[in-house]
Amino acid sequence: QSALTQPPSASGSPGQSVTISCTGTSSDVGGYNYVSWYQQHPGKAPKLMIYEVSKRPSGVPDRFSGSKSGSTASLTVSGLQAEDEADYYCSSYGGSNNLGVFGTGTKVTVL
Amino acid sequence: QVQLQESGPGLVKSSETLSLTCTVSGGSTSSRNYYWGWIRQPPGKGLEWIGSVYYSGTTYYNPSLKSRVTISVDTSKNQFSLKLSSVTAADTAVYYCARHNRHSSGVCSSFDYWGQGALVTVSS
Repeated sequence: QSALTQPPSASGSPGQSVTISCTGTSSDVGGYNYVSWYQQHPGKAPKLMIYEVSKRPSGVPDRFSGSKSGSTASLTVSGLQAEDEADYYCSSYGGSNNLGVFGTGTKVTVL
Repeated sequence: QVQLQESGPGLVKSSETLSLTCTVSGGSTSSRNYYWGWIRQPPGKGLEWIGSVYYSGTTYYNPSLKSRVTISVDTSKNQFSLKLSSVTAADTAVYYCARHNRHSSGVCSSFDYWGQGALVTVSS
């Protein structure tokens, strides 16, 4: 099973929005509504930001939103803040033989 | 608050078996609402799901690692463990344990709590 495809980098100025894509196939992203997104700061464990495509866990700011169209999921960070600078990974359920396919990761830079 | 903590040797010799344990506090590995998973991250690279275990002992593994991986759960100790055999330098990574949410449909949807990670280096 191949990793989901994400752009290596994305950037925006404080207050702007940035959108990260996550492209899979009909066997993972396109086949199920179980896409999640994780934020990872250097040297830290990943943190769940979005689950089941567009749901936010308690405590995650509503500046973070998720969506999906076909086999591509997206994470949008609105009103960028300095602390949003981090690596972001998507993940999807990939069937009973592959519970968790991760994306290649995107480094978000706040200019 | 659920907390997970990885433990085990930080250095393993090539061709030997890597063994790690994850101790869960603030939650129960006996819960039917969750699986318990292992994810790894080679230095400077992305995340890779290794496998997950249910309280009953049912396991699911990444097909690319399946022949070398064993994950087990000890509900009496509130722990679950990872064994990866025949390791090489390519297995050098930070290994994370995490709680794997089980949707009402039975599908595992996301990892909501993570351990801090344990760096395991494979030496020749």
